[in-house]
Amino acid sequence: DAKTTQPNSMESNEEEPVHLPCNHSTISGTDYIHWYRQLPSQGPEYVIHGLTSNVNNRMASLAIAEDRKSSTLILHRATLRDAAVYYCILRRYGGATNKLIFGTGTLLAVQP
Amino acid sequence: EAQVTQNPRYLITVTGKKLTVTCSQNMNHEYMSWYRQDPGLGLRQIYYSMNVEVTDKGDVPEGYKVSRKEKRNFPLILESPSPNQTSLYFCASSSHRETSYEQYFGPGTRLTVT
Repeated sequence: DAKTTQPNSMESNEEEPVHLPCNHSTISGTDYIHWYRQLPSQGPEYVIHGLTSNVNNRMASLAIAEDRKSSTLILHRATLRDAAVYYCILRRYGGATNKLIFGTGTLLAVQP
Repeated sequence: EAQVTQNPRYLITVTGKKLTVTCSQNMNHEYMSWYRQDPGLGLRQIYYSMNVEVTDKGDVPEGYKVSRKEKRNFPLILESPSPNQTSLYFCASSSHRETSYEQYFGPGTRLTVT
């Protein structure tokens, strides 16, 4: 499975945009880029995913580099509730296990 | 409300005393799995099930058993717990459709084995 690299931690101020980077230089053509987040004392929750094009949903935006070797999760206006560990995960469809391989993620702190 | 539930949420037990952690989902998902989360190691898959009566080992299956007799339930069984199974456990479910993209996780079960 291809590996992702994320900064260990980042800080943001409330109501400001946050850009969370992820490097995945060994990504293959069939790997989708997924983002999950884990709020304190909760299970992981799905945020967004994409393949090649940039994606938007109610939670966030995902910007994917043209060569797909990196991506950025964008939270447009951070709130205190967005403080969490954010995981960037590559997922290849068609496998039997449906397994998500979690790295150590980025711990996002949001200051009021 | 779509959800995955786990019970108990917290459990302290002693070495060798059999225990079961239950997991249930109300989304009619075919796929269910168990993960454990340990500091510095992230989440690792223990067992997974692609449908009723179909289960298989994940990355760290030693010391665990599972069963899938009904679609909604996927209990995790520790026949003889040991201290190295002290961990935070998560159950997850998803549709197994090729276009499926989202896994739903339960709230977690914090297990301490003394």
